[in-house]
Amino acid sequence: EAQVTQNPRYLITVTGKKLTVTCSQNMNHEYMSWYRQDPGLGLRQIYYSMNVEVTDKGDVPEGYKVSRKEKRNFPLILESPSPNQTSLYFCASSLRGTVSYEQYFGPGTRLTVT
Amino acid sequence: AQSVTQPDIHITVSEGASLELRCNYSYGATPYLFWYVQSPGQGLQLLLKYFSGDTLVQGIKGFEAEFKRSQSSFNLRKPSVHWSDAAEYFCAVGGQAGTALIFGKGTTLSVSS
Repeated sequence: EAQVTQNPRYLITVTGKKLTVTCSQNMNHEYMSWYRQDPGLGLRQIYYSMNVEVTDKGDVPEGYKVSRKEKRNFPLILESPSPNQTSLYFCASSLRGTVSYEQYFGPGTRLTVT
Repeated sequence: AQSVTQPDIHITVSEGASLELRCNYSYGATPYLFWYVQSPGQGLQLLLKYFSGDTLVQGIKGFEAEFKRSQSSFNLRKPSVHWSDAAEYFCAVGGQAGTALIFGKGTTLSVSS
């Protein structure tokens, strides 16, 4: 089944404790992206990757890191999480990087930073 | 500035009644327009998209949307709502060569029996 998977689905952590949210897709997509969703703000893009070893900042990249060493994986790293990073995070992928290609979204990771 | 406005934060519709969710956009180039649905605890699913051509587009689950360039709108409609349509709906815009989608803040649809 074609899908985007994220792990973990739920995470509660403390301020400053490094964490990684994994994202994997099995569709051989070139483009992958991370969004955060906050009430009343909709989805905002954090980082995106046009292909392996190619990443770039989205609208809200502060406090996050990403890497794209393999085509299928695009982990999101929070080196020192803070409470304002409490949010619902979505990974998405598409065949190519332009918006004409449908983006497929993962199920989301709900992160709470205390 | 590029933006998407969904004026209605929350809408309640009776089951079987018609539905229209509003979306207005501001975009400097030819827009590509999308509607996504997010069911509780789920990721986003594409309902329909408009790139060019016929301004009335059909999507999945019986939804349709109409692009009106003069009004910068892309409203989503459904003739008869089912209880399973209760979800959050997002309108999004992007450019032909763009890589990022700009999302609206979403409209939550509740369906009453």
